[in-house]
Amino acid sequence: ELKVEQNPLFLSMQEGKNYTIYCNYSTTSDRLYWYRQDPGKSLESLFVLLSNGAVKQEGRLMASLDTKARLSTLHITAAVHDLSATYFCAVPSHSGTYKYIFGTGTRLKVLA
Amino acid sequence: EAQVTQNPRYLITVTGKKLTVTCSQNMNHEYMSWYRQDPGLGLRQIYYSMNVEVTDKGDVPEGYKVSRKEKRNFPLILESPSPNQTSLYFCASSPLAGAAPAEKETQYFGPGTRLLVL
Repeated sequence: ELKVEQNPLFLSMQEGKNYTIYCNYSTTSDRLYWYRQDPGKSLESLFVLLSNGAVKQEGRLMASLDTKARLSTLHITAAVHDLSATYFCAVPSHSGTYKYIFGTGTRLKVLA
Repeated sequence: EAQVTQNPRYLITVTGKKLTVTCSQNMNHEYMSWYRQDPGLGLRQIYYSMNVEVTDKGDVPEGYKVSRKEKRNFPLILESPSPNQTSLYFCASSPLAGAAPAEKETQYFGPGTRLLVL
């Protein structure tokens, strides 16, 4: 059974600091997705990682995928309060499928 | 505006009273899916559909039904709701792999439907 584990589950950090959120998964998949959810809101797509070694950056967020290690990272550079949200990674349950497994989420709080 | 809509947004019902949550998308996506979100459990997939008349079970399909008679609509049906189906439900749609630029091969989520079953 595929497991998708995120850590940390909760993260409180000061503005201006850097940090990394990790997403480990237990199956062979060459696709991984990151989403953001603001409190009381829906999910919005952040990054689509479609191959080993993929790296995507948007503003202060950078995501990478290592399919051999079955690991994706979401790196936050110089955090600002607006990044406070819950971040989810999602992986297909096996290659080629559209059955998705989500991590339990990392709740990020950036303190001013 | 490209969007996924869900109705109703909030629903309080009683055990055993059949209900339907509608989902519609205007992006001509082949793929649609339903999730439930519960505290501490993240999102869990209920059912998904890769095209009209093609549906498949996700991780937690028990107690739910779906149908895909039109490309744009994917209703979620609870024939006999129970309190353990109290949850926040999200519908999502996406293009299939190769049908869109890579950065758009992601799921677009509806606003959510909060369901309370008494």
